[in-house]
Amino acid sequence: GAVVSQHPSWVICKSGTSVKIECRSLDFQATTMFWYRQFPKQSLMLMATSNEGSKATYEQGVEKDKFLINHASLTLSTLTVTSAHPEDSSFYICSARFSGGLGQPQHFGDGTRLSIL
Amino acid sequence: EDKVVQSPLSLVVHEGDTVTLNCSYEVTNFRSLLWYKQEKKAPTFLFMLTSSGIEKKSGRLSSILDKKELFSILNITATQTGDSAVYLCAVLSGTYKYIFGTGTRLKVLA
Repeated sequence: GAVVSQHPSWVICKSGTSVKIECRSLDFQATTMFWYRQFPKQSLMLMATSNEGSKATYEQGVEKDKFLINHASLTLSTLTVTSAHPEDSSFYICSARFSGGLGQPQHFGDGTRLSIL
Repeated sequence: EDKVVQSPLSLVVHEGDTVTLNCSYEVTNFRSLLWYKQEKKAPTFLFMLTSSGIEKKSGRLSSILDKKELFSILNITATQTGDSAVYLCAVLSGTYKYIFGTGTRLKVLA
Protein backbone atom coordinates (compact mmCIF):
# COMPACT_ATOMS: atom_id res chain seq x y z
CA GLY A 1 0.00 0.00 0.00
CA ALA A 2 0.88 3.66 -0.20
CA VAL A 3 3.51 4.77 2.29
CA VAL A 4 3.80 8.20 3.82
CA SER A 5 6.78 8.90 6.02
CA GLN A 6 6.73 11.64 8.63
CA HIS A 7 9.77 12.82 10.51
CA PRO A 8 10.52 13.31 13.34
CA SER A 9 8.19 11.11 15.40
CA TRP A 10 8.64 13.08 18.60
CA VAL A 11 10.08 16.48 19.36
CA ILE A 12 10.63 18.09 22.73
CA CYS A 13 12.00 21.60 22.70
CA LYS A 14 12.03 24.88 24.55
CA SER A 15 9.56 27.67 24.06
CA GLY A 16 10.57 30.04 21.26
CA THR A 17 12.18 27.35 19.11
CA SER A 18 11.06 26.75 15.54
CA VAL A 19 10.37 23.14 14.62
CA LYS A 20 10.26 21.64 11.15
CA ILE A 21 8.28 18.49 10.38
CA GLU A 22 8.76 16.62 7.10
CA CYS A 23 6.19 14.58 5.25
CA ARG A 24 7.25 12.36 2.36
CA SER A 25 5.29 10.12 0.05
CA LEU A 26 7.65 7.22 -0.52
CA ASP A 27 6.10 5.23 -3.32
CA PHE A 28 3.77 7.61 -5.10
CA GLN A 29 3.55 11.19 -6.29
CA ALA A 30 1.34 13.35 -4.14
CA THR A 31 -0.08 16.43 -5.78
CA THR A 32 -1.84 17.32 -2.58
CA MET A 33 -0.72 16.96 1.01
CA PHE A 34 -2.70 17.77 4.12
CA TRP A 35 -1.64 18.80 7.59
CA TYR A 36 -3.76 17.95 10.61
CA ARG A 37 -3.58 18.58 14.30
CA GLN A 38 -5.02 16.22 16.88
CA PHE A 39 -5.55 16.87 20.57
CA PRO A 40 -5.84 13.98 23.03
CA LYS A 41 -9.00 11.94 22.52
CA GLN A 42 -10.23 14.31 19.84
CA SER A 43 -10.50 13.92 16.12
CA LEU A 44 -8.28 15.29 13.41
CA MET A 45 -8.59 18.97 12.63
CA LEU A 46 -7.46 20.01 9.18
CA MET A 47 -4.95 22.85 9.40
CA ALA A 48 -4.04 23.36 5.78
CA THR A 49 -3.97 21.84 2.34
CA SER A 50 -0.87 22.15 0.24
CA ASN A 51 -0.56 21.64 -3.47
CA GLU A 52 2.81 21.12 -5.06
CA GLY A 53 4.25 24.34 -6.41
CA SER A 54 1.61 26.67 -4.96
CA LYS A 55 0.79 28.35 -1.68
CA ALA A 56 -0.96 26.36 0.99
CA THR A 57 -4.62 26.94 1.76
CA TYR A 58 -5.15 27.41 5.48
CA GLU A 59 -8.31 26.63 7.42
CA GLN A 60 -10.03 29.37 9.31
CA GLY A 61 -8.32 30.13 12.58
CA VAL A 62 -4.93 28.71 11.58
CA GLU A 63 -2.19 31.33 11.50
CA LYS A 64 -0.22 31.00 8.30
CA ASP A 65 2.70 32.96 9.70
CA LYS A 66 2.86 30.59 12.63
CA PHE A 67 2.55 27.37 10.68
CA LEU A 68 4.64 27.66 7.53
CA ILE A 69 3.97 25.05 4.90
CA ASN A 70 6.15 24.32 1.92
CA HIS A 71 5.36 21.75 -0.75
CA ALA A 72 8.39 21.96 -2.97
CA SER A 73 8.06 18.65 -4.77
CA LEU A 74 5.56 15.91 -5.50
CA THR A 75 6.97 13.83 -2.68
CA LEU A 76 7.79 16.30 0.08
CA SER A 77 5.90 18.80 2.18
CA THR A 78 7.18 20.49 5.32
CA LEU A 79 5.42 22.17 8.22
CA THR A 80 7.42 24.62 10.30
CA VAL A 81 6.00 25.69 13.63
CA THR A 82 7.66 29.04 14.18
CA SER A 83 8.50 30.32 17.65
CA ALA A 84 6.65 27.46 19.25
CA HIS A 85 4.95 27.89 22.60
CA PRO A 86 3.45 25.35 25.01
CA GLU A 87 -0.03 25.81 23.52
CA ASP A 88 1.38 24.51 20.23
CA SER A 89 2.05 21.14 21.85
CA SER A 90 0.00 18.59 20.00
CA PHE A 91 0.06 15.62 17.66
CA TYR A 92 0.62 16.76 14.08
CA ILE A 93 -0.22 14.37 11.25
CA CYS A 94 0.34 14.77 7.55
CA SER A 95 -1.38 12.92 4.77
CA ALA A 96 -0.85 12.66 1.06
CA ARG A 97 -3.16 11.97 -1.79
CA PHE A 98 -2.07 10.32 -5.01
CA SER A 99 -2.01 12.51 -8.09
CA GLY A 100 -5.03 10.58 -9.33
CA GLY A 101 -7.11 13.02 -7.28
CA LEU A 102 -10.60 12.60 -5.89
CA GLY A 103 -10.81 8.90 -6.61
CA GLN A 104 -7.91 8.21 -4.29
CA PRO A 105 -7.94 8.16 -0.50
CA GLN A 106 -5.47 10.13 1.53
CA HIS A 107 -2.79 8.13 3.29
CA PHE A 108 -1.38 9.24 6.62
CA GLY A 109 2.09 9.49 8.04
CA ASP A 110 2.73 8.20 11.55
CA GLY A 111 2.46 11.65 13.08
CA THR A 112 4.77 13.89 15.09
CA ARG A 113 4.22 14.43 18.76
CA LEU A 114 5.39 17.95 19.58
CA SER A 115 5.99 18.96 23.19
CA ILE A 116 7.02 22.52 23.94
CA LEU A 117 8.42 23.17 27.39
CA GLU B 1 -21.90 24.15 8.86
CA ASP B 2 -20.52 20.84 7.62
CA LYS B 3 -20.46 18.11 10.22
CA VAL B 4 -19.77 14.43 10.60
CA VAL B 5 -21.20 12.62 13.62
CA GLN B 6 -20.16 9.17 14.74
CA SER B 7 -21.89 6.88 17.18
CA PRO B 8 -21.45 5.36 19.60
CA LEU B 9 -18.58 7.36 21.08
CA SER B 10 -17.23 4.33 22.82
CA LEU B 11 -17.96 0.60 22.78
CA VAL B 12 -16.70 -2.36 24.77
CA VAL B 13 -17.38 -5.89 23.48
CA HIS B 14 -16.03 -9.39 23.89
CA GLU B 15 -14.05 -11.31 21.32
CA GLY B 16 -16.30 -12.92 18.76
CA ASP B 17 -18.99 -10.25 18.96
CA THR B 18 -20.16 -8.33 15.90
CA VAL B 19 -20.17 -4.54 16.06
CA THR B 20 -21.75 -1.85 13.92
CA LEU B 21 -20.33 1.64 13.90
CA ASN B 22 -22.34 4.55 12.57
CA CYS B 23 -21.40 7.71 10.72
CA SER B 24 -23.91 10.36 9.68
CA TYR B 25 -23.04 13.53 7.83
CA GLU B 26 -24.31 16.88 6.67
CA VAL B 27 -21.78 18.12 4.17
CA THR B 28 -21.99 20.37 1.15
CA ASN B 29 -20.57 19.09 -2.09
CA PHE B 30 -20.15 15.48 -0.94
CA ARG B 31 -17.51 13.54 -2.87
CA SER B 32 -16.73 10.46 -0.82
CA LEU B 33 -16.80 8.95 2.67
CA LEU B 34 -13.78 7.25 4.15
CA TRP B 35 -13.22 4.98 7.13
CA TYR B 36 -9.92 4.84 9.01
CA LYS B 37 -8.59 2.83 11.95
CA GLN B 38 -6.38 4.67 14.40
CA GLU B 39 -4.37 2.81 16.98
CA LYS B 40 -1.46 4.53 18.65
CA LYS B 41 -0.22 6.50 15.72
CA ALA B 42 -1.79 7.84 12.56
CA PRO B 43 -4.93 6.51 10.92
CA THR B 44 -4.73 3.63 8.49
CA PHE B 45 -7.09 3.55 5.55
CA LEU B 46 -9.92 1.01 5.53
CA PHE B 47 -12.53 1.96 2.93
CA MET B 48 -13.56 4.71 0.57
CA LEU B 49 -17.22 4.85 -0.45
CA THR B 50 -18.68 6.97 -3.20
CA SER B 51 -21.81 5.14 -4.33
CA SER B 52 -24.92 4.22 -2.36
CA GLY B 53 -25.78 0.63 -1.65
CA ILE B 54 -22.53 -0.98 -2.75
CA GLU B 55 -20.91 -2.89 0.09
CA LYS B 56 -17.16 -2.83 0.40
CA LYS B 57 -15.60 -5.77 2.17
CA SER B 58 -12.19 -6.63 3.50
CA GLY B 59 -11.95 -9.76 5.61
CA ARG B 60 -14.14 -9.33 8.67
CA LEU B 61 -14.78 -5.66 7.93
CA SER B 62 -17.44 -4.30 5.64
CA SER B 63 -18.99 -0.93 5.00
CA ILE B 64 -21.86 0.58 3.08
CA LEU B 65 -23.03 4.08 2.25
CA ASP B 66 -26.56 5.51 2.03
CA LYS B 67 -26.41 8.85 0.23
CA LYS B 68 -30.14 9.41 0.54
CA GLU B 69 -30.19 9.11 4.33
CA LEU B 70 -26.65 10.54 4.61
CA PHE B 71 -24.98 7.84 6.65
CA SER B 72 -22.58 4.97 6.52
CA ILE B 73 -22.00 1.94 8.70
CA LEU B 74 -18.87 -0.04 9.38
CA ASN B 75 -19.40 -3.65 10.44
CA ILE B 76 -16.82 -5.82 12.13
CA THR B 77 -17.70 -9.49 12.58
CA ALA B 78 -16.02 -11.99 14.91
CA THR B 79 -14.12 -9.21 16.63
CA GLN B 80 -10.61 -9.80 17.94
CA THR B 81 -8.55 -7.91 20.51
CA GLY B 82 -6.48 -6.52 17.63
CA ASP B 83 -9.57 -4.67 16.43
CA SER B 84 -9.37 -2.41 19.48
CA ALA B 85 -8.79 1.09 18.14
CA VAL B 86 -10.49 4.36 17.34
CA TYR B 87 -12.44 4.19 14.10
CA LEU B 88 -12.67 7.46 12.25
CA CYS B 89 -15.13 8.46 9.58
CA ALA B 90 -14.24 11.29 7.21
CA VAL B 91 -16.18 12.96 4.42
CA LEU B 92 -14.52 14.67 1.49
CA SER B 93 -16.29 17.92 0.68
CA GLY B 94 -15.26 19.37 -2.65
CA THR B 95 -11.76 18.75 -3.87
CA TYR B 96 -9.68 19.09 -0.74
CA LYS B 97 -11.60 19.43 2.48
CA TYR B 98 -11.82 16.32 4.64
CA ILE B 99 -14.13 16.59 7.62
CA PHE B 100 -13.57 14.04 10.35
CA GLY B 101 -15.96 12.75 12.95
CA THR B 102 -14.84 12.44 16.57
CA GLY B 103 -14.40 8.71 16.19
CA THR B 104 -15.72 5.60 17.91
CA ARG B 105 -13.41 4.07 20.47
CA LEU B 106 -13.74 0.28 20.32
CA LYS B 107 -12.31 -2.01 22.94
CA VAL B 108 -12.48 -5.75 22.43
CA LEU B 109 -11.97 -7.86 25.54
CA ALA B 110 -10.43 -11.32 25.42
